Amino acid sequence: EAGVAQSPRYKIIEKRQSVAFWCNPISGHATLYWYQQILGQGPKLLIQFQNNGVVDDSQLPKDRFSAERLKGVDSTLKIQPAKLEDSAVYLCASSLGPGQGEETQYFGPGTRLLVL
Amino acid sequence: LAKTTQPISMDSYEGQEVNITCSHNNIATNDYITWYQQFPSQGPRFIIQGYKTKVTNEVASLFIPADRKSSTLSLPRVSLSDTAVYYCLVGPADRGSTLGRLYFGRGTQLTVWP
Repeated sequence: EAGVAQSPRYKIIEKRQSVAFWCNPISGHATLYWYQQILGQGPKLLIQFQNNGVVDDSQLPKDRFSAERLKGVDSTLKIQPAKLEDSAVYLCASSLGPGQGEETQYFGPGTRLLVL
Repeated sequence: LAKTTQPISMDSYEGQEVNITCSHNNIATNDYITWYQQFPSQGPRFIIQGYKTKVTNEVASLFIPADRKSSTLSLPRVSLSDTAVYYCLVGPADRGSTLGRLYFGRGTQLTVWP
């Protein structure tokens, strides 16, 4: 079974530039998550989708971050404009969805972003 | 949202059993306890989940006392490849239908020495 795919794996940009990350969840998984993991810390949830609807985006800095999952499958996370403090690993995860019992999340390898 | 407290780091030697304890005093009735493992440059990986008493799988065991205010992840006979960060999480199992946000915390850095 293919896992969660993310691209790019690495990205270096200058502050005030924009950047986008892409995630392809495991086939059939209805729930998709984006996390931000700063070095030395645990992942922090940015946004959670249920199919193509947003379940939780309370920790998403909406003045600069945006995310979409238009067809309920792939998702993109965008930062515009980027700040130095956005340097982190951005993780995408997916799970089966509500009513499926145990909601194990499967994580992708992440995109490592460095803002200079 | 129930937060968790774990040791920041632990050291062990190959072949030993490792027990990592997590405190979650504010756990709710419908919360499950889940442990994830994360290697450098990889996303976290599910290890085990439980609600009460003891759960065992091919990788680890999870011990949960009756009051559920703590839990212990037990890794039998660790090897060098078990060196990783281990996260204890508490939240409703069916997170897709709630605002049950997963809180990872800083986790426990386990280092296994030869």
